[in-house]
Amino acid sequence: EVQLLQSGGNLVQPGGSLRLSCAASGFTFNNYALSWVRQAPGKGLEWVSAISGTGISTYYADSVKGRFTISRDNSKHTLYLQMNSLRAEDTAVYYCAKEGAPPSFDYWGQGTLVTVSS
Amino acid sequence: QSVLTQPPSVSAAPGQKVTISCSGSSSNIGNNYISWYQHLPGTAPKLLISESDKRPSGIPDRFSGSKSGTSATLGITGLQTGDEADYYCGTWDSSLSAYVFGTGTKVTVL
Repeated sequence: EVQLLQSGGNLVQPGGSLRLSCAASGFTFNNYALSWVRQAPGKGLEWVSAISGTGISTYYADSVKGRFTISRDNSKHTLYLQMNSLRAEDTAVYYCAKEGAPPSFDYWGQGTLVTVSS
Repeated sequence: QSVLTQPPSVSAAPGQKVTISCSGSSSNIGNNYISWYQHLPGTAPKLLISESDKRPSGIPDRFSGSKSGTSATLGITGLQTGDEADYYCGTWDSSLSAYVFGTGTKVTVL
C-alpha cells in the first residue's frame, strides 16, 4: 500500500524558514517524480515544485522560485521542501504527491498546515 | 491566476448528470494528457481521471473524461450526495515548465 506521511507544518513569522518532510512507503521510491502542491485558505490547488526520481531535475512555480528548495533522500525514501523567506501568502495546507501516469498525481500525503504570521 | 479555466460551480439533482469543462491552450491541454481530481474539504485530493480518459483502479465508471484540442471535460453521471466536492483539472504546461491546475469547480447536489 502506497503511503505518504507528512510532517513539519507549523506557525512561522514572516521572513522565517521551515522544512517540510514527506516519508514514503509502498512503492519503488527512486522510480517516481514527486511534487509539492498547496492550497491557501479559500483558494484552489496550486502546484509548488517537482523533483525527478533521481533528484537531478527540479522545477518550481514562479511564486516560490528562489525561496523554496525541493530535495529528496532516496536512501531514506523521504521528500523535503525547504521554505525560506516565508511570506503571509505562503500560508496554506501543503501536500506531497507522487507522480502517476504523467502528468498526474496518483497518491497524496495527508497535508500539513503552514501558517506565516507575526 | 490559473491558465486552465473551469466554471466556478455546477449543480444537479441526485441521479442526474453534470459536466465540467476545462479550457486551456496549446502549451498545456493541447499537447499533454489532462488529469482530474476530486477534493473534499479537510482531505487529500483524489485522482479521478488520468491520461485524459482513464480511470484509476477503484474509481467508478460514473466518472468519465474526454479531451478535444485545447479543452477537456469531466462527466459525472448518477450524481450522489457524496459527489459534492471541488473538482480540478490539471496538466503540465510546456511553456511554463510547470504543472498547472484549473480554477476549480464546486459540484452541488440539489
